[in-house]
Amino acid sequence: DSGVTQTPKHLITATGQRVTLRCSPRSGDLSVYWYQQSLDQGLQFLIQYYNGEERAKGNILERFSAQQFPDLHSELNLSSLELGDSALYFCASSLPSYGYTFGSGTRLTVV
Amino acid sequence: DQQVKQNSPSLSVQEGRISILNCDYTNSMFDYFLWYKKYPAEGPTFLISISSIKDKNEDGRFTVFLNKSAKHLSLHIVPSQPGDSAVYFCAASRGGNEKLTFGTGTRLTIIP
Repeated sequence: DSGVTQTPKHLITATGQRVTLRCSPRSGDLSVYWYQQSLDQGLQFLIQYYNGEERAKGNILERFSAQQFPDLHSELNLSSLELGDSALYFCASSLPSYGYTFGSGTRLTVV
Repeated sequence: DQQVKQNSPSLSVQEGRISILNCDYTNSMFDYFLWYKKYPAEGPTFLISISSIKDKNEDGRFTVFLNKSAKHLSLHIVPSQPGDSAVYFCAASRGGNEKLTFGTGTRLTIIP
């Protein structure tokens, strides 16, 4: 157990729908990062939150949004889903001077 | 623009021999480099890292070498064990707690 919890582990939904992925960071970690891994691809950075504030943005589509709540958990919202959004979505958390820890991911399948 | 590249999608190595995984980067602003190991259905697990002030870092069977002039790093695993079979990702960042830029991974298979 890495200490970073992601729910749900698997999600199957139809095109056009909206889903929410949840991440609870490791205790004490202030930063949360979201990454997307499509088939045979590396992990693509989507967005980072630090202590509730958006800190950095990567290749995140406008149909996607995220937030970090006062208790530091984060949610990634994916809307108007397309077949190409099917991927593994990973959350990671970190604390200054310490490294990243990844959760086990949410596998999203859009049918 | 692929700033971190792992040009070998796969590698097979005999058990007990040395595994060498390679990674190249293009962004000279990167100053912190990491290797992650990933099993199917699990998140990436941190293996070893190196900052740009060093050219080598060793942790047990794992050693990472950094050649800044060539913008190249490599991960050596010796001796290789069957449990090392996984996908290995190279990653880089500007600073230790900034976003990571990942390579596309190398699938390592250790042959018993």
